[in-house]
Amino acid sequence: RKEVEQDPGPFNVPEGATVAFNCTYSNSASQSFFWYRQDCRKEPKLLMSVYSSGNEDGRFTAQLNRASQYISLLIRDSKLSDSATYLCVPSYNFNKFYFGSGTKLNVKP
Amino acid sequence: GAVVSQHPSWVICKSGTSVKIECRSLDFQATTMFWYRQFPKQSLMLMATSNEGSKATYEQGVEKDKFLINHASLTLSTLTVTSAHPEDSSFYICSATYVRGDTEAFFGQGTRLTVV
Repeated sequence: RKEVEQDPGPFNVPEGATVAFNCTYSNSASQSFFWYRQDCRKEPKLLMSVYSSGNEDGRFTAQLNRASQYISLLIRDSKLSDSATYLCVPSYNFNKFYFGSGTKLNVKP
Repeated sequence: GAVVSQHPSWVICKSGTSVKIECRSLDFQATTMFWYRQFPKQSLMLMATSNEGSKATYEQGVEKDKFLINHASLTLSTLTVTSAHPEDSSFYICSATYVRGDTEAFFGQGTRLTVV
């Protein structure tokens, strides 16, 4: 079983749309959770941490369900610059990350 | 945020030669660094955990004699791809954290290796 399962997409959405990504993880010992974004041929960059109570950062909202081992990311009012691959990353061992395939988002004009 | 610098950003080498990639934490000390590899259109795959002052821990299926890791100081880890072959061509990325615990990881810019 994979450590992290994500729908690879691509999700093709128009500008201004709301889009949601989901992710499931297999290691119940995971303690920290992050969403990273990766642009083509670049390193991953932290988008936001995910807290148990859920958290919001501008147009981005993240939710965590530990019981179901499920993480979500909601992007409102999509911008062209949001086009990237979004990586769901649970961490349980000093930030040793096992990445899933990521979900590719294409925001169209 | 903390800065991790990786060098070189790209390299082309001939089959059979060795290539060294450096990963430096510029403004913090990193007792642990991680090395990843990413093939085109695939996910980042963890290769090994680099521990300062001790041997690296390799993931299953990664040849330790092929990918030599040295973490001689708290700010520098190196990955040497020995006797490189075209199938080793990939994007190699390191990451580091500065707090033992659950904080974000900081990634280097990555090194694109092409073996011809």
